[in-house]
Amino acid sequence: GIQVEQSPPDLILQEGANSTLRCNFSDSVNNLQWFHQNPWGQLINLFYIPSGTKQNGRLSATTVATERYSLLYISSSQTTDSGVYFCAVRPTGTASKLTFGTGTRLQVTL
Amino acid sequence: KAGVTQTPRYLIKTRGQQVTLSCSPISGHRSVSWYQQTPGQGLQFLFEYFSETQRNKGNFPGRFSGRQFSNSRSEMNVSTLELGDSALYLCASSGDTEAFFGQGTRLTVV
Repeated sequence: GIQVEQSPPDLILQEGANSTLRCNFSDSVNNLQWFHQNPWGQLINLFYIPSGTKQNGRLSATTVATERYSLLYISSSQTTDSGVYFCAVRPTGTASKLTFGTGTRLQVTL
Repeated sequence: KAGVTQTPRYLIKTRGQQVTLSCSPISGHRSVSWYQQTPGQGLQFLFEYFSETQRNKGNFPGRFSGRQFSNSRSEMNVSTLELGDSALYLCASSGDTEAFFGQGTRLTVV
């Protein structure tokens, strides 16, 4: 099956710093989503981005489908950005099953 | 627009018992998927239902089963619970593109 790798696994930032999270995947996809898991376990949708670039406030994402990677940018980080960020993909030609990466655990300190 | 609703939020069960979890998807979504999240294995796909039919199944033992009703609500059942079934169970509701997750059911088996 498709492999999804996220890096870095852990990241500690000071408030106000910027960061880039990476997601590499091993096959072509027709769905790529970024999620933020809050402390209570819920997965919050950040971006649906099978290709191209999107921005939402301090967050933006870029997926280069032909090179099989996606990047999530967090600018001017805040303590509320802390948590685990997941990338999830669905291979082209499959149904709704998403394959998740192992996540990047982000801690933003004061 | 109401989100994905999972009930109950928390459960404590004894080894050998069985449990049923419920998921109500977003209105109009016909696909419901279930995922198990554990610290050791990450987020793993259990199964997906679309219009009352199981469309996809992950690599879990037969003790894990599910169904979907005509109103798209879904239930998953775990029989003969084992300690290793302790996990966060997440349900995802999908339309044509992105998936949205419920708050999860945290199951503890003692």
